[in-house]
Amino acid sequence: QSALTQPRSVSGSPGQSVTISCTGTSSDVGGYNYVSWYQQHPGKAPKLMIYDVSKRPSGVPDRFSGSKSGNTASLTISGLQAEDEADYYCCSYAGSYPPYVFGTGTKVTVL
Amino acid sequence: EVQLVESGGGLVQPGGSLRLSCAASGFTFSSYWMSWVRQAPGKGLEWVANIKQDGSEKYYVDSVKGRFTISRDNAKNSLYLQMNSLRAEDTAVYYCARELYRTRSAFDYWGQGTLVTVSS
Repeated sequence: QSALTQPRSVSGSPGQSVTISCTGTSSDVGGYNYVSWYQQHPGKAPKLMIYDVSKRPSGVPDRFSGSKSGNTASLTISGLQAEDEADYYCCSYAGSYPPYVFGTGTKVTVL
Repeated sequence: EVQLVESGGGLVQPGGSLRLSCAASGFTFSSYWMSWVRQAPGKGLEWVANIKQDGSEKYYVDSVKGRFTISRDNAKNSLYLQMNSLRAEDTAVYYCARELYRTRSAFDYWGQGTLVTVSS
């Protein structure tokens, strides 16, 4: 299984929206509605932000939203805030083992 | 409050062994699949292994099969990763993570990680 493809970096000014793409194949992203997104600040553990493509865990601001079309999933951060500056990773269930494949990661910079 | 606390990392020579531990609290440990996920320095996340609630099923990424063994002790609320024949490419921060209860489609809680460095 190859890693899912994400842009290396995206940036935006406070208050703007940014969207991160996550491209896989019909064997992972396209085959299951089991895409999740994680936020990771430097030196910290990943934090679940979105699961099952578009569901938000309790406590995650509704500025974070997820979607999927075909083999590509997306994470949108609306109303960008300084604390959103972090690395973001997508992850998809892939059926056969290994069951999970992560994306290459995207650094979000708040200008 | 759900907590996962890893320990056991350190510096080890190539070919050596280490045993990582993850102490769980704040939830019914025996009800969840658990995983180990690693992150090499400056790199992305990689799923390593997982284990069913009762330990009857275990799965590994190809690169660690035959060298790593995942296990758990539900009486002690603990998850383990025995790592043998370590290689330089195993150098990473190792996280234990809880899989979502019903769908197992994501990791909803993570430990703070423990660093494993394989070097001579």
